[in-house]
Amino acid sequence: DAKTTQPNSMESNEEEPVHLPCNHSTISGTDYIHWYRQLPSQGPEYVIHGLTSNVNNRMASLAIAEDRKSSTLILHRATLRDAAVYYCILRPPSGSARQLTFGSGTQLTVLP
Amino acid sequence: NAGVMQNPRHLVRRRGQEARLRCSPMKGHSHVYWYRQLPEEGLKFMVYLQKENIIDESGMPKERFSAEFPKEGPSILRIQQVVRGDSAAYFCASSPRTVNTEAFFGQGTRLTVV
Repeated sequence: DAKTTQPNSMESNEEEPVHLPCNHSTISGTDYIHWYRQLPSQGPEYVIHGLTSNVNNRMASLAIAEDRKSSTLILHRATLRDAAVYYCILRPPSGSARQLTFGSGTQLTVLP
Repeated sequence: NAGVMQNPRHLVRRRGQEARLRCSPMKGHSHVYWYRQLPEEGLKFMVYLQKENIIDESGMPKERFSAEFPKEGPSILRIQQVVRGDSAAYFCASSPRTVNTEAFFGQGTRLTVV
């Protein structure tokens, strides 16, 4: 299975942009890049996903490198409620490994 | 459209008892996934089910654990003869199909074995 590498932790100031990196150098051509986050004592929450092109939604933006070996989740204006563990996950399009495989993620701390 | 509903939210069982965790997927979702999160650890996949079928149970312990997703009603994760090491948060997720759609997670059931 293709693996992802994320920093263990990051800090950001409130109302500033946050760039959360993810390396996935062994990604296959058909793997989708998914991002989830888990707030304290809650279930994971979908943030965004993409295949090749950059993606935007109301929560965040996803910038995918041209070679797809890395991606960056961008929170345009961090709030205290964005403090969470952020997971970058590769999801294959077929086969039995259709479940999400969570790594250790990045613990984001937002400072007031 | 209600989200993924899990109940109970908290469950306390004595060693040797059975624990039944229920998960009602979002309306229209036919794919259900169960995950376990041990204290201070990450989420680990347990089992993936579609209606009346277990698709992938590679993450399920071989003994005492079972899961079902009947034609009618919620998905059930059953743990027989619980031990202290089963204490964890159990999360259920559902999706309408696989791959390029998001999965929606419930709030989890926190099992404590005393």
